[in-house]
Amino acid sequence: DQQVKQNSPSLSVQEGRISILNCDYTNSMFDYFLWYKKYPAEGPTFLISISSIKDKNEDGRFTVFLNKSAKHLSLHIVPSQPGDSAVYFCAANFGNEKLTFGTGTRLTIIP
Amino acid sequence: GAGVSQSPRYKVAKRGQDVALRCDPISGHVSLFWYQQALGQGPEFLTYFQNEAQLDKSGLPSDRFFAERPEGSVSTLKIQRTQQEDSAVYLCASSLSAYSPLHFGNGTRLTVT
Repeated sequence: DQQVKQNSPSLSVQEGRISILNCDYTNSMFDYFLWYKKYPAEGPTFLISISSIKDKNEDGRFTVFLNKSAKHLSLHIVPSQPGDSAVYFCAANFGNEKLTFGTGTRLTIIP
Repeated sequence: GAGVSQSPRYKVAKRGQDVALRCDPISGHVSLFWYQQALGQGPEFLTYFQNEAQLDKSGLPSDRFFAERPEGSVSTLKIQRTQQEDSAVYLCASSLSAYSPLHFGNGTRLTVT
């Protein structure tokens, strides 16, 4: 039972444009959501997070949007840069600190 | 470096062998997690420590998997009688406190032949 879903395994975006990565969840108990970025042969690196009491959080080029009624969150990267090419994981938890991850979306930025 | 360190980076084991994977968390980090990542999948939770106490081991797939953190710093994940389905990347992560983002190590890639 996949509680956190990333339905797009891959995404290609031209450099300078906006990248939008999507994530859906099924467990309404989740109250904290995170995005991690992963380069090959490295561990995931924390990117940005959002609490369920907010609907938007922004950090430089990265913005996360949360739609609780739709159980959907998205990560916007603008402008996209070549160094953003990586696998992005959406993750969620509630209270007990155990993160549940999605299966990831491979983002490729085309120069 | 100041990051989470895991060793070995790669481990090849014959089916039936025991393996031990080591994790050195960031100094001062109270929480330590082990995750298993199969090819093409996201990391899946195995177990969680707060200091030396193992608070959650609900993700360990069988009783062949055992983790410890005896002094509240270094942790070891042990897999006994390895099977082919144990082949995966094992990730360790630590965090300063509850709701602090996890800092992951680079993982140990285990291949069981």
